[in-house]
Amino acid sequence: DIQMTQSPFTLSASVGDRVTITCRASQRISSWLAWYQQKPGKAPKLLIYRASTLESGVPSRFSGSGSGAEFTLTINSLQPDDFATYYCQQYTSHPLTFGQGTKVEIK
Amino acid sequence: EVQLVESGGGLVQPGGSLRLSCATSGFSFRTHVMTWVRQAPGRGLEWVSGISSVESTYYADSVKGRFTISRDNSKNTVYLYMNSLRAEDTAIYYCAKQPITDIYFDYWGQGTLVTVSS
Repeated sequence: DIQMTQSPFTLSASVGDRVTITCRASQRISSWLAWYQQKPGKAPKLLIYRASTLESGVPSRFSGSGSGAEFTLTINSLQPDDFATYYCQQYTSHPLTFGQGTKVEIK
Repeated sequence: EVQLVESGGGLVQPGGSLRLSCATSGFSFRTHVMTWVRQAPGRGLEWVSGISSVESTYYADSVKGRFTISRDNSKNTVYLYMNSLRAEDTAIYYCAKQPITDIYFDYWGQGTLVTVSS
């Protein structure tokens, strides 16, 4: 199975900050990576797929980059609505696996 | 508008069974892979099972042999039959749709809670 490791586990930031979350795969996955946002009590929401393609309707302050085994999710100018937990997910092969999540908290 | 609505969760004793349903609308159900993803309380996301448009099925090792996924294209519904339930199966179970070309999850239901406890 492909293991996905996110860092940091928790991130404290202020409105307006630029934040970066890293996701590393235990083996190369090309660009078969998605990012999701989850708020408490809600289902996850797709933000980015194929490592860097923004899902329709997602604000442009979100961006993704990387390929192979290391990926990043960047949020430019953090907004109050962005405080949530973020997950990466590889989809190069089954079983589909997620990172453990990164919680973005208000500083 | 794409909608996925799960039902069937509840409290069940260890060793018991449960059937989850996910009724869908707003897209061409028969052409898409449908999946179940779960989230234990306070934990991360875990892919559980998927079923393709031609009814190929996939399972996580943690549920293989105990869970069965199926679909009814006439009802636009996907099911998850869960047998021999264990305490560690306690989770919110989300139904999720995959796009045609890739196998990430582009739409999710609101989830249904399964609690395995005596």
